[in-house]
Amino acid sequence: KQEVTQIPAALSVPEGENLVLNCSFTDSAIYNLQWFRQDPGKGLTSLLLIQSSQREQTSGRLNASLDKSSGRSTLYIAASQPGDSATYLCALNRDDKIIFGKGTRLHILP
Amino acid sequence: KAGVTQTPRYLIKTRGQQVTLSCSPISGHRSVSWYQQTPGQGLQFLFEYFSETQRNKGNFPGRFSGRQFSNSRSEMNVSTLELGDSALYLCASSWDGYEQYFGPGTRLTVT
Repeated sequence: KQEVTQIPAALSVPEGENLVLNCSFTDSAIYNLQWFRQDPGKGLTSLLLIQSSQREQTSGRLNASLDKSSGRSTLYIAASQPGDSATYLCALNRDDKIIFGKGTRLHILP
Repeated sequence: KAGVTQTPRYLIKTRGQQVTLSCSPISGHRSVSWYQQTPGQGLQFLFEYFSETQRNKGNFPGRFSGRQFSNSRSEMNVSTLELGDSALYLCASSWDGYEQYFGPGTRLTVT
């Protein structure tokens, strides 16, 4: 059974720092991996999608990597800002099912 | 292009009642998926509809059902509500079932 783990569950970082969020999974047979952010009580906003054949994707200050052999993906946020405070979730698409991690709650300290 | 919309945004129901939630996907998207989000279990997949047919189903009891119309709009129904059904229900649309775009959710409270 595919499991998706995000550690830590919560993280506080001073503004301006670079940070890395982690996502690990047990089965490397995935179609793609998607990173989302969720603001409290709101829906999910797609940040980056990495196809199975890709190693990384970049959008602005965000960079996501995928290493299927080790079952890991990371989301790198450069020069963090208070507006980056949110919960970040990774989701794997496999066998037409999408499995989410429980997320990392990120707080950027002004 | 308008995003995914869900109605209603908030709902309060009593145990034993039933509820219907609605989702309008992004124009041109044929896939609509439904998720339940609770603090304890996180985001859990309910089902996916593609061109009016249920294509995938998660591990939820038969009280949870859905359908999709010819215009791709989807509804989700929960019968005989239980307290544990209180959650944020999210729908997501996709052109091909892979890259998902989420709506704002419907917050259901069962009392």
